Amino acid sequence: QKEVEQNSGPLSVPEGAIASLNCTYSDRGSQSFFWYRQYSGKSPELIMSIYSNGDKEDGRFTAQLNKASQYVSLLIRDSQPSDSATYLCAVNTLMDSSYKLIFGSGTRLLVRP
Amino acid sequence: GAGVSQSPSNKVTEKGKDVELRCDPISGHTALYWYRQRLGQGLEFLIYFQGNSAPDKSGLPSDRFSAERTGESVSTLTIQRTQQEDSAVYLCASSLGEPQHFGDGTRLSIL
Repeated sequence: QKEVEQNSGPLSVPEGAIASLNCTYSDRGSQSFFWYRQYSGKSPELIMSIYSNGDKEDGRFTAQLNKASQYVSLLIRDSQPSDSATYLCAVNTLMDSSYKLIFGSGTRLLVRP
Repeated sequence: GAGVSQSPSNKVTEKGKDVELRCDPISGHTALYWYRQRLGQGLEFLIYFQGNSAPDKSGLPSDRFSAERTGESVSTLTIQRTQQEDSAVYLCASSLGEPQHFGDGTRLSIL
């Protein structure tokens, strides 16, 4: 069973702090990695994609990928209360001869004002 | 439209009834996906359409579930003889390669 694992949280951080969200995956052959944000009652919204080892920055968001250790993380700098949401890690995984996007169960982030 | 459109946004039905959910993908997107998300859970893959290829139905939980897609346009997900455990949000996504873009989902409640 190929899996994507996330800590369910909640992860609680004060406003202005750095929030660090982590995700591990089991398929060593995975090549594409995504972070989605999902507000309560809403659909997932893509915020970051990463394909190569290292860091990728976009505004306050930084995605980090380490294929050797099979983890991908998302850092949110200067966290705001509006960042409070569930963050879903998704990994493109070869299953049954085709690639599927496998989602973790999500980490709930709470940013305290 | 600009995004993935799903209808209805909410559906309440009695146990044993059939339901049909609709997804209108982003124009030009060749791939279309259906997912199920139970309350507080992650996304569960159901079915995937890519162009005119045979769909990947490996995620459908039972033979009560089926889906169709007309070419590269609208898709319908049908659940027959609904059960209470079918209550969930059903999300549709489309893509041209990567990444996937989601619709707002249909919240299905089985009484």
